[in-house]
Amino acid sequence: KAGVTQTPRYLIKTRGQQVTLSCSPISGHRSVSWYQQTPGQGLQFLFEYFSETQRNKGNFPGRFSGRQFSNSRSEMNVSTLELGDSALYLCASSTEGPKETQYFGPGTRLLVL
Amino acid sequence: AQSVTQLDSQVPVFEEAPVELRCNYSSSVSVYLFWYVQYPNQGLQLLLKYLSGSTLVKGINGFEAEFNKSQTSFHLRKPSVHISDTAEYFCAVSSRNQAGTALIFGKGTTLSVSS
Repeated sequence: KAGVTQTPRYLIKTRGQQVTLSCSPISGHRSVSWYQQTPGQGLQFLFEYFSETQRNKGNFPGRFSGRQFSNSRSEMNVSTLELGDSALYLCASSTEGPKETQYFGPGTRLLVL
Repeated sequence: AQSVTQLDSQVPVFEEAPVELRCNYSSSVSVYLFWYVQYPNQGLQLLLKYLSGSTLVKGINGFEAEFNKSQTSFHLRKPSVHISDTAEYFCAVSSRNQAGTALIFGKGTTLSVSS
C-alpha cells in the first residue's frame, strides 16, 4: 500500500498570507489527524477528521482550520500567517479508534517570513 | 487531561551499548501508550504500543518497552544499539475512552549513537 503523502513538502510564505496544505491518507483509512511540530513546543495535536467530520480539536486559534473530502483526503488551512506558524506540519492516517496505529506522512515544512 | 514527560532530552551512547529512554505519563483515565521514532527529514514511525495484557511489549528493530502502572512509566529499551538507531524518539498516549485518535506526545529524546 502507498503511504501517507503530503503536498507540498516545503513552503515559504510571508506574514499575513494564508496557506493550504494537503494530505492523502493510506487507502481505506478514514481518520486523518494533523500535528504541528516545532523545536520549542514539540508535537502538538491540531485536529482530527473522520468521515468528513471534525471529531477532535486541539488548542489552536481559529486561524487553523481543516476539512476532509469524501475520498478521505484532507486539507488544512492557516489564515493570516504569523512568524510563529513556522513549523513542520505532519499528517497521520489510521483506522478508527484511539488504540490504532497512526501512520505519518513526511510532513510539510512551512517557513513564514 | 493527559501529559507525557520524557525525562531526557538527549541521550548519547556508544554503538553496541544498551540504552533506556524514559517516559512518564499523567492521566486521570486509562491510556494506551506508544513509542514513535523520527529519522531526519521524515515523518514518525511506530516502534511499539501497549494496549493491554503483558506489560513487556516488543517492537521493531529490537526495541522493547515495559508498562509500569504504579509508576505511570513506559520506558523504552534496547540491549545493543546501532549507528542507524540515531534518531528522535517520542513517547505518546491516547485516552482509552476518547472517540478519536488524538495523541499527546512528549517533547522527544534525541538518541545519538557513536562508534
